[in-house]
Amino acid sequence: DAKTTQPTSMDCAEGRAANLPCNHSTISGNEYVYWYRQIHSQGPQYIIHGLKNNETNEMASLIITEDRKSSTLILPHATLRDTAVYYCIVRARVLGDKIIFGKGTRLHILP
Amino acid sequence: DTAVSQTPKYLVTQMGNDKSIKCEQNLGHDTMYWYKQDSKKFLKIMFSYNNKELIINETVPNRFSPKSPDKAHLNLHINSLELGDSAVYFCASTQGLAITDTQYFGPGTRLTVL
Repeated sequence: DAKTTQPTSMDCAEGRAANLPCNHSTISGNEYVYWYRQIHSQGPQYIIHGLKNNETNEMASLIITEDRKSSTLILPHATLRDTAVYYCIVRARVLGDKIIFGKGTRLHILP
Repeated sequence: DTAVSQTPKYLVTQMGNDKSIKCEQNLGHDTMYWYKQDSKKFLKIMFSYNNKELIINETVPNRFSPKSPDKAHLNLHINSLELGDSAVYFCASTQGLAITDTQYFGPGTRLTVL
């Protein structure tokens, strides 16, 4: 089973910031938080990951709470092309790790 | 240029048949994976190869046999196909085995077993 819970769907106006929450209350100390997205009929696309510090890259920002039990993915200026299903997963290590994507959040960007 | 490619994109076949899905990555990565995404959209890892050696072998039927002729290719052969094998299969690759290595996914192969 997935170790994360996310809202089923969210709407966001084009040009505004999209804030996608994720709960991972059972996260272990050595587990990273990863975010991927899947645009219809395409393979998952990596967005960002973090351990305990906030992270930012050209696509998004990741805010992780101090207790690491939840995180928020922020798309600063959402565009129509950001419409996708966003998956939050926790991973400890690649070797032997069971990487399971949950149901994700279906993000609709509204024009 | 496509980083991770899969063929075919769609595969429709009868129960009992044997079929293969091919995956190639041109990223120079050492590690490749096969994932299965079921109708509920859960994406679960099936196999992982590092430098042509099997690293992860999840509990999948032994009808599924991965083969890695070289680092850039990881093919999936499925014997005696069953209805429950219908799903989207994704190939992925990473530079190595580090937890921070980014996974690059292929476009997926939608397998339908009739």
